[in-house]
Amino acid sequence: QSALTQPASVSGSPGQSITISCTGTSSDVGSYNLVSWYQQYPGKAPKLIIYETSKRPSGVSNRFSGSKSRNTASLTVSGLQAEDEADYYCCSYARSSPFVFGTGTKVTVL
Amino acid sequence: QVQLQESGPGLVKPSETLSLTCTVSGASITSYYWNWIRQPAGKGLEWIGRLYAGGATNYNPSLTDRVTMSLDTSKSQFSLKLNSVTAADTAVYYCALGMAVLDPWGQGTLVTVSS
Repeated sequence: QSALTQPASVSGSPGQSITISCTGTSSDVGSYNLVSWYQQYPGKAPKLIIYETSKRPSGVSNRFSGSKSRNTASLTVSGLQAEDEADYYCCSYARSSPFVFGTGTKVTVL
Repeated sequence: QVQLQESGPGLVKPSETLSLTCTVSGASITSYYWNWIRQPAGKGLEWIGRLYAGGATNYNPSLTDRVTMSLDTSKSQFSLKLNSVTAADTAVYYCALGMAVLDPWGQGTLVTVSS
């Protein structure tokens, strides 16, 4: 099972919106609404910010939103803030494995 | 509030067995799915496997030949054993709760494979 494909880096200015893509196949992202997204600060454990493709856990800012089209899931961060600078990973259920992670995206706030 | 804490040796010799334990508080370990994930320095996350109370396990196909996971319900712990380790197994190892989503995570523990 190959890792899902994410852009290595995405950047934006404060207040702008950015979108991170997560491309899989019809065996994972395309077949299940079980995509989750994790935010990770340096030296810290990942934190869940989106689950079941578009749902937000309690306490997560509504500036984070998720969506999916065919084999590609997306995470949008609106109203970008300095505190959003972190690494972001998507993850999908797959036929061959319960969890397949994306390659990770470093978000830089300019 | 569910909390998880990894523990185990920080240094393992090549060809030996890596053994880690995750202690769970705030949830019954006889319910739910319990996972191990790892992350080499500067690299991405890799799901290692999971187990469910009753002993059912799922392992990453790329690691299945070397991985064993088990539960100790009396101590509210679950464990990971990875045998025949090499330098490529050097990583921060995390435990996490979840069947279709991983939440919460432990803080992680660094394991270095070196002689």
